[in-house]
Amino acid sequence: DSGVTQTPKHLITATGQRVTLRCSPRSGDLSVYWYQQSLDQGLQFLIQYYNGEERAKGNILERFSAQQFPDLHSELNLSSLELGDSALYFCASSGRGDFSGEQYFGPGTRLTVT
Amino acid sequence: GESVGLHLPTLSVQEGDNSIINCAYSNSASDYFIWYKQESGKGPQFIIDIRSNMDKRQGQRVTVLLNKTVKHLSLQIAATQPGDSAVYFCAEISSYFRASKIIFGSGTRLSIRP
Repeated sequence: DSGVTQTPKHLITATGQRVTLRCSPRSGDLSVYWYQQSLDQGLQFLIQYYNGEERAKGNILERFSAQQFPDLHSELNLSSLELGDSALYFCASSGRGDFSGEQYFGPGTRLTVT
Repeated sequence: GESVGLHLPTLSVQEGDNSIINCAYSNSASDYFIWYKQESGKGPQFIIDIRSNMDKRQGQRVTVLLNKTVKHLSLQIAATQPGDSAVYFCAEISSYFRASKIIFGSGTRLSIRP
């Protein structure tokens, strides 16, 4: 158990809909990272927040957004969903502000868009 | 859990033998590298990291080698055990002023023969 929790574990929704994925980092970790893992594109970095502020941005679509709240939990919002958004979404946390050192990954949310 | 990368290259190793997993990275400016292990149905797990000013780093039963000349990274696992069965992938990180970029390799599936 990494100490990172993600909800929900599974999500099935229709094209055009909007969903919110939730992540609670390990106690004391200030950074939260969001990743997308699909069969065709592998693991891709989406976005990082550090202590409530956006720190780094990767291949995140404009239809996706994220935020980190004062209690350090984070939400990833996916809107106008397309079939190609079906993937595993992981969040990870660390005590660092960059990508160095160990990131602790949550169990993931499996999103299926039908 | 969902299978990650159904068509990944597979390395089959006899239990007790050493495993060598290779990764070619793309950016000569990448200055930090990480190896991850991902078991079926779980999030990635940090194994070992190495900075670009090093060419070798050892951990518990694992060694990472970095060859910057040919942009190649390898992970050596000594005395491979059944619990080592997983997908392994590398990540390259390039750090820029107030920004970083992380790219993951596609992964190699390690299979252990009894």
